[in-house]
Amino acid sequence: DQQVKQNSPSLSVQEGRISILNCDYTNSMFDYFLWYKKYPAEGPTFLISISSIKDKNEDGRFTVFLNKSAKHLSLHIVPSQPGDSAVYFCAASANNFNKFYFGSGTKLNVKP
Amino acid sequence: ETGVTQTPRHLVMGMTNKKSLKCEQHLGHNAMYWYKQSAKKPLELMFVYSLEERVENNSVPSRFSPECPNSSHLFLHLHTLQPEDSALYLCASSQDQLPYNEQFFGPGTRLTVL
Repeated sequence: DQQVKQNSPSLSVQEGRISILNCDYTNSMFDYFLWYKKYPAEGPTFLISISSIKDKNEDGRFTVFLNKSAKHLSLHIVPSQPGDSAVYFCAASANNFNKFYFGSGTKLNVKP
Repeated sequence: ETGVTQTPRHLVMGMTNKKSLKCEQHLGHNAMYWYKQSAKKPLELMFVYSLEERVENNSVPSRFSPECPNSSHLFLHLHTLQPEDSALYLCASSQDQLPYNEQFFGPGTRLTVL
C-alpha cells in the first residue's frame, strides 16, 4: 500500500508563474518530509525539507507547506524557471521508521 | 570523483546472464542503500547497509544479491533476472542510517532485461 502519493504525474507551467506540486500521505506517524528533484540521467538531489513541528519552510524560490490535519504537503516554486523542469519526488519518514517512503513523482515542465 | 558514482550507467542483459552493479560514495558516509525505480512508480527501497552490515532487506527476490565490502562501496549482483526487473537502479548514501538524514543519490544504472 502506497503511503505517499503524488496524484499528478505531470504539470506544465509558464515561466515566471507559480508551480505548485502536491503530495498526500496516509501514515499519521510521519513527522519529516522532503522534496527531491531529478533531472534525466541524474540521481535525485535534495531540495527542501520540513519537520512536522512547522507548517512552512522557505528556501529562496522554494517553499514547502505542510497541512498535518489533511496529511498534505505542497511545494511552491515562484517564479518558475525553465531550469526547474525536472521530476519532483516527495518523501516522508518518522523517527522509528529508519527509511523514507517516496511518492511516484511529478514531472514539471516550465515553458519559456 | 565526488558524491555518489554508479557503474555501469546502462546495462542490457539476458535472463541467464550474471552481472553486477557497482556504487561508490566519496562522502565519508556510513550508510548505503539500493533503490529500484520503475516507470510511474515510487522509489522502492531494496537494501540498506549501515556500517557495512545489512540492516534491511525489503522482501527482495534472491536473484538480487547485495554486497558491501567497505563503507565506500556497494554492489548489487544480478542473476537469472526477469524482464519485469528492468528499471533504474539507484544507489544512495547518508551519514548514519537515520530517518532525518538527507540521502545523496548516484545517477543510477538503467537496466534492461531481455
